[in-house]
Parts: sequence; C-alpha cells; structure tokens
Amino acid sequence: SQQGEEDPQALSIQEGENATMNCSYKTSINNLQWYRQNSGRGLVHLILIRSNEREKHSGRLRVTLDTSKKSSSLLITASRAADTASYFCATDGIANSNSGYALNFGKGTSLLVTP
Amino acid sequence: DADVTQTPRNRITKTGKRIMLECSQTKGHDRMYWYRQDPGLGLRLIYYSFDVKDINKGEISDGYSVSRQAQAKFSLSLESAIPNQTALYFCATSDLGGGGFNEQFFGPGTRLTVL
Repeated sequence: SQQGEEDPQALSIQEGENATMNCSYKTSINNLQWYRQNSGRGLVHLILIRSNEREKHSGRLRVTLDTSKKSSSLLITASRAADTASYFCATDGIANSNSGYALNFGKGTSLLVTP
Repeated sequence: DADVTQTPRNRITKTGKRIMLECSQTKGHDRMYWYRQDPGLGLRLIYYSFDVKDINKGEISDGYSVSRQAQAKFSLSLESAIPNQTALYFCATSDLGGGGFNEQFFGPGTRLTVL
C-alpha cells in the first residue's frame, strides 16, 4: 500500500511566490525522497533526506522531516513557471530479504505556477 | 542517449493479447523496478529485481510477469491484457546506496491502452 500521502493534491500560485507541499507517512522510515514529474514523463529525483536529518537544502528547494509526526515538507522558493509539475514523496517500503528497499510513492501534489 | 530506455513508448492493444514492455539501462545499476501510474493514484510497484537472480512481487503483481534477462534488461509482460491495465508504465533503476536504497532513475514511460 502507498506509504506517503501528499497535501495538498493541487496547488496554484504565481511566479515568485513560495510553494509548500507536505507529505505524511505511516510507518518508520530510513529515508524520504522527493521526486518531480513533468506531465506524462518519468520522475526525476530532487532530494533525499535521511531519518536522522531534520532539514536539507538544494538550490531553491528546502525539505524538512519530522519523524515524530511522520511528516515532511518540500518548499520551493521564488517559484517559476518551469516549476509547474507534479511532486511526489517516496518512502522506503518493501524490504528485500537481503538488503535494501523498494520505494512507496504518494499520489502527488500537482503544482501550477502562472506567470 | 538516455540512461533508462523503454520500448515501446505507446501501445494500443486488445483485450486478451499478450504484451511485453521492455526496459534497458546503461547506468550499470543492479536494481530495477516496474511501476504503473494511474490518474489520481500515483505510482504503484508491480515487480522489482535487486539483481539478475532476484525477482520480487510488488504491490500489484497480479496479471503481470517479469523477466530479468541481464543486468541491463528488465521486461514486463501482460500475458492476457485487460482494459483495467490501461495505464502509464515506468521502469526505474537504482544503485545500492547507503541506508538501504538510493535515488531511482526513471525511464520515459510506456503509455499502454487496452481496448
């Protein structure tokens, strides 16, 4: 079953504004990742935050993780029209008997940035 | 050239037909995954493979089978396609990273329509 749940489902802002998306999950995780998907295309990895980290930055992206609340947020600052896409959080899910995990993706937040 | 390629990119078929979707990667990754994406449902894991001899069912494996022909190739088959398998299918790869998993790299997707 899907682990991550993004909120809101859809977000519409103007260029220059900040966009904040949230992700909640149900069980303990090792890592949480955020991905971006342009319409009809494959997902692209944005950022990974480990369970022992609370905040991480990458360019205009800021990710926070609160393991006590089982939630994460993705902030895109000074948004641009090119940021229009769907954003997914992904948590480690099914454990292989040897090591490693497949990912569970949420349903995504659809972000529209208008000029 | 793209690191993860999928063929075909689009396919329309009829109920009951056998369909194979192919995925190839040049990233040298051991881990490969098949997902399907339906509107409003995000990505769901069908099968995954952590090496050539390792095949695992995902969340929604019923009606699908896979073959890991080589490290670089992972095929998804629908033995007898049905209309509710109409979806966007993605292949992804990842390396073995610290913490159990690493970022995944996605192919461009195959849009499959079953009539």
